[in-house]
Amino acid sequence: EDQVTQSPEALRLQEGESSSLNCSYTVSGLRGLFWYRQDPGKGPEFLFTLYSAGEEKEKERLKATLTKKESFLHITAPKPEDSATYLCALRSNDYKLSFGAGTTVTVRA
Amino acid sequence: DGGITQSPKYLFRKEGQNVTLSCEQNLNHDAMYWYRQDPGQGLRLIYYSQIVNDFQKGDIAEGYSVSREKKESFPLTVTSAQKNPTAFYLCASRSRTGRTDTQYFGPGTRLTVL
Repeated sequence: EDQVTQSPEALRLQEGESSSLNCSYTVSGLRGLFWYRQDPGKGPEFLFTLYSAGEEKEKERLKATLTKKESFLHITAPKPEDSATYLCALRSNDYKLSFGAGTTVTVRA
Repeated sequence: DGGITQSPKYLFRKEGQNVTLSCEQNLNHDAMYWYRQDPGQGLRLIYYSQIVNDFQKGDIAEGYSVSREKKESFPLTVTSAQKNPTAFYLCASRSRTGRTDTQYFGPGTRLTVL
């Protein structure tokens, strides 16, 4: 059974203080690892998809990386508007997604 | 303006009532999904549909039902058999371009049982 574990559960950062979120996983055959951002009371917003170990994707202050056992979401010089819950998900063979519980990031000005 | 819409945004239900949550998309996606989100937990899959007139149970289908009569619409009914229906419900549809595929989410419906 596919399993996704995100850590830490919560992360409080000062504006400009870079950090990383972790998504560790076990899967029989990786068909894609997804990162989403979710603001309170709203639906998740797609950020990145990674398909193979060594792959990296960037968008503004966010950078996602992938190894055979985990993915990291690096936040460089965060701003208060980066405050959100970040969700990691695995895609299985039948196009279903298995989600982690998320990491809630709070960036203080 | 393409996207996924869910209605209503907030829904209140009395115990013993069935309620239906709406999900519509104009993205021309074949596959659609329903998830449930509870505080501190990841999204859990309720039902999904890969094509019109076909759907499959997800991990937590008990107490829920769906239909897929049109490509654009995938309504979810929360029945009185669902023991703990208070949650945030999210609908998604999936795009597929070459080897990449992505699920895009609607804004959600928050259901509260009174």
